[in-house]
Amino acid sequence: QVQLQESGPGLVKPSETLSLSCSVSGVSVTSGTHCWAWIRQPPGKGLEWIGYVFHSGRTTYNPSLKSRVTLSVDTSKNHFSLRLDSVTAADRAIYYCARLFVVEPTSSMPSGVYYVDSWGQGALVTVSS
Amino acid sequence: SFDLTQPPSVSVSPGQTARITCSGDELPSQYAYWYHQKPGQAPVVVMYKDTERPSGIPERFSGSISGTKVTLTISGAQAEDEGDYYCQSVDNSGFLIFGGGTKLTVL
Repeated sequence: QVQLQESGPGLVKPSETLSLSCSVSGVSVTSGTHCWAWIRQPPGKGLEWIGYVFHSGRTTYNPSLKSRVTLSVDTSKNHFSLRLDSVTAADRAIYYCARLFVVEPTSSMPSGVYYVDSWGQGALVTVSS
Repeated sequence: SFDLTQPPSVSVSPGQTARITCSGDELPSQYAYWYHQKPGQAPVVVMYKDTERPSGIPERFSGSISGTKVTLTISGAQAEDEGDYYCQSVDNSGFLIFGGGTKLTVL
């Protein structure tokens, strides 16, 4: 059974970098049918997808955050990471790491399959000086 | 990209049928997924590929699609079904899109 656990500072100063790691257990991050995602949720608000990364290192980012986000995978440690630069108060949120089941579109199946089948418990990150 | 629109809230009495809708222009060509989030917990997928129910999700949950609208139906809603429900889809660039969420109240 897959388990994901976020770790990292709960408080980041404005203009600095938010860094979180997600430890994966019960399955290898090199799984061929999954990739690894970050999703955030400001307290009391809805879900916002940040991006996802394959074990190959290939990434896809939310266009609204792309200029500030870097995702990476460390297969030797079986974990993946989020880096968000130049944070502001608007980045205060619960950050979830997640496993994304993916079947990419093909000519025979133009509608790919992308959904989260496992979530971490979430980590609240506050931005304040 | 496209937007997914959900009603902010839905209320039903215990045992009644709850229907939560999600509208989006690309839903006829992109799958929709549904997540249930209870307070203080991470979301859980309750429907995938429009109408597929994951193992462990009660049979009272079902999904349907009609045109640009998908519907999550809970037949015989129970108190434990309360919480926020989010629909999600993907655009043709592989960008995930979430609806704004619907708060389901069972009382």
